Amino acid sequence: GAVVSQHPSWVICKSGTSVKIECRSLDFQATTMFWYRQFPKQSLMLMATSNEGSKATYEQGVEKDKFLINHASLTLSTLTVTSAHPEDSSFYICSARDPRVATYEQYFGPGTRLTVT
Amino acid sequence: DQQVKQNSPSLSVQEGRISILNCDYTNSMFDYFLWYKKYPAEGPTFLISISSIKDKNEDGRFTVFLNKSAKHLSLHIVPSQPGDSAVYFCAASDLGSGTYKYIFGTGTRLKVLA
Repeated sequence: GAVVSQHPSWVICKSGTSVKIECRSLDFQATTMFWYRQFPKQSLMLMATSNEGSKATYEQGVEKDKFLINHASLTLSTLTVTSAHPEDSSFYICSARDPRVATYEQYFGPGTRLTVT
Repeated sequence: DQQVKQNSPSLSVQEGRISILNCDYTNSMFDYFLWYKKYPAEGPTFLISISSIKDKNEDGRFTVFLNKSAKHLSLHIVPSQPGDSAVYFCAASDLGSGTYKYIFGTGTRLKVLA
């Protein structure tokens, strides 16, 4: 299947700083990518849909000024957690759909573990 | 409001036997369903999907059944292998909305005993 990468795989930052997470589709162009977060032993919660060349669509309850999403090219979306706080510590995962494939599965990156101290 | 639920948080099955994982949904607009397998600290891996126009889809050891009237789907793994031990998530999508976004269930941790 298609390959999606994320960088970094883990990051530790201090409270009040910002951190950027990258999501790349390696062998296909993705006009749409998705960002999820997962708390320990919980489900994956969709945060936002990242659209290439336009504004992201955020799910209800997700602060768009805190979680900045930029989808500047067909293979790269970034999530910036601004003014991070310890409660932002979580596992962040991105996914993308390969438009060449007739079915609708999304391919997920390996995830980024964010720890805010 | 949890639109997709997996009521069994965990399941243990003997190697070689059948594993049955269940998933219920409430939104009648969902028309595409998927199962993903996930290991800790990794992204989910796609297993199998089914469209609402079907009631069964099979791929090797994995079969997904869909009962639209009951808003219920299940994943059957047979025979189960120790390597199948992981957390399994069902996901649902309303393709008619054009968003392609998923709503995930709460997950079931499967343990296959050797």
